Amino acid sequence: TQLLEQSPQFLSIQEGENLTVYCNSSSVFSSLQWYRQEPGEGPVLLVTVVTGGEVKKLKRLTFQFGDARKDSSLHITAAQPGDTGLYLCAGAPTGGYQKVTFGTGTKLQVIP
Amino acid sequence: EAGVVQSPRYKIIEKKQPVAFWCNPISGHNTLYWYRQNLGQGPELLIRYENEEAVDDSQLPKDRFSAERLKGVDSTLKIQPAELGDSAVYLCASSLGGPTLGEQFFGPGTRLTVL
Repeated sequence: TQLLEQSPQFLSIQEGENLTVYCNSSSVFSSLQWYRQEPGEGPVLLVTVVTGGEVKKLKRLTFQFGDARKDSSLHITAAQPGDTGLYLCAGAPTGGYQKVTFGTGTKLQVIP
Repeated sequence: EAGVVQSPRYKIIEKKQPVAFWCNPISGHNTLYWYRQNLGQGPELLIRYENEEAVDDSQLPKDRFSAERLKGVDSTLKIQPAELGDSAVYLCASSLGGPTLGEQFFGPGTRLTVL
């Protein structure tokens, strides 16, 4: 079983601050996804990265896939209260595209 | 288009009682997943179906958990008998499947409390 460790586990920041969430593994992933989950709902996909070193931007969110495809980061610029939620990375092993492992999660709270 | 539907949304039972969860995936999605999620943690896969075939059930506690996906559409997850440690949110997700990592669409989950 491939493990995905996320850090930090909890993060409470003021509106307008920047933050970075990390997703690390000792295993290589063919692709990696980031999801956000709000209380009482299921996770919703934010992005999929497939190439080592790839950087994707989604408004104020920047996602990076590590060169070795073992890690990823999510950077949020000027966080807003609407960014509050549980952020989850999820990786798929090479050749097992639908066999996804979720990370341990990072709970973000943005205080107005 | 309707999303993934799960029922019930909440269930409270006493230990040793049976419980069942139902999931209706998005139309046309071949792959269906059942996950268990504890508060503040990532979902843990219980079972994955490709159409009606269970292709990954290595994490399913088979002594008390069972699942079925008749006709490759709806799915039911059952626990019998439930234990205190089974309290969690049970999530169902579906995806198109295929050779690339696709988006999983999740239902709202069923929050199970075992007393």
